[in-house]
Amino acid sequence: EDQVTQSPEALRLQEGESSSLNCSYTVSGLRGLFWYRQDPGKGPEFLFTLYSAGEEKEKERLKATLTKKESFLHITAPKPEDSATYLCAVQSNAGNMLTFGGGTRLMVKP
Amino acid sequence: ETGVTQTPRHLVMGMTNKKSLKCEQHLGHNAMYWYKQSAKKPLELMFVYNFKEQTENNSVPSRFSPECPNSSHLFLHLHTLQPEDSALYLCASSQYGGRTTDTQYFGPGTRLTVL
Repeated sequence: EDQVTQSPEALRLQEGESSSLNCSYTVSGLRGLFWYRQDPGKGPEFLFTLYSAGEEKEKERLKATLTKKESFLHITAPKPEDSATYLCAVQSNAGNMLTFGGGTRLMVKP
Repeated sequence: ETGVTQTPRHLVMGMTNKKSLKCEQHLGHNAMYWYKQSAKKPLELMFVYNFKEQTENNSVPSRFSPECPNSSHLFLHLHTLQPEDSALYLCASSQYGGRTTDTQYFGPGTRLTVL
């Protein structure tokens, strides 16, 4: 059974204080690892897809990396508008189902 | 309209009511999904439709009944719900229907409250 664990559950940062969010996973053949951002009361917004260990992707202040066991979402010099819940999910070779982690709620204070 | 849309955005219903949630995707995708998101829980997959055929039913109670008349539309029919069914119901779509790495795009959700 595929499993995804995200840590920490919540993270408070000062504006400009860089940090990383962790996503640990076990999957029977990784087809893709996905990062989403979710604002309160809204649907998840797609950020990145990572396909294989060693891959990195960047978007503005966000950088996602992938190893064989975990993924990190690095946030450089965050701003208050980066406050949201960040979700990680994996797709296995078994099909198109995604297994989601519990998310990390990020709060960036000005 | 662009992306994935859902209606209504908010719904309050009694336990004896019958209602339906609607999802429409404007992306030309071939797979559609229903998820349930409750407080303090990870997103839970409910149903998957690939090319209009239901391919996954994740042990969902029969009071939830999905319908996919074509690749662009997905419905979730609700009847005799319980208060614990109150949640955010999310629809998503993806291009390939599970044949390869398949990014899912989500709608804004329907906030359901069961009294």
